[in-house]
Amino acid sequence: GAGVSQTPSNKVTEKGKYVELRCDPISGHTALYWYRQSLGQGLEFLIYFQGNSAPDKSGLPSDRFSAERTGGSVSTLTIQRTQQEDSAVYLCASSPGGPKQFFGPGTRLTVL
Amino acid sequence: SQQGEEDPQALSIQEGENATMNCSYKTSINNLQWYRQNSGRGLVHLILIRSNEREKHSGRLRVTLDTSKKSSSLLITASRAADTASYFCATAGSNDYKLSFGAGTTVTVRA
Repeated sequence: GAGVSQTPSNKVTEKGKYVELRCDPISGHTALYWYRQSLGQGLEFLIYFQGNSAPDKSGLPSDRFSAERTGGSVSTLTIQRTQQEDSAVYLCASSPGGPKQFFGPGTRLTVL
Repeated sequence: SQQGEEDPQALSIQEGENATMNCSYKTSINNLQWYRQNSGRGLVHLILIRSNEREKHSGRLRVTLDTSKKSSSLLITASRAADTASYFCATAGSNDYKLSFGAGTTVTVRA
């Protein structure tokens, strides 16, 4: 079956611009996660959605970052006034509710 | 902040040899998972071990967990070129969902 998909696969933007990253989780998965991976590093937790519960936003690095999940399915991560330090691979994962997570291919964001 | 730390950072082995990598963590955990990442893209779940388990096997993978030492190891036996990837350990605390990843071990299997 279809896995987690993310669009775009690559995004190059200029400092100060707004970007929107999209994640389509596996159908039926109630949990959705966003992570950020800087070059050569592990994954940094950003935000977690579970069903209709309030999201855990504790990993968002600043108020320039926000995310929403519409209809319990698709999620968008938005970054306002992008900075060069926002350059990273942004990974989305979904889960049917257990601890195992299924990852998408990621969006590589480059801020010039 | 990252909970887990993998050791070594990089590993180069000949095809057919075994590869062992270790993960240490700081706080108590509910479970520990290992993931593989190819070419800096999506991660693939390999194996999960719960805090009350000491060893698990899956195909050519063997994972151990020592909660007294707060450490885990991943052994890949009879390695293949396709095993070339970065391997990450990830720990989950009491809430079970919030994973904390280490920086990973990069494994290169030479043909």
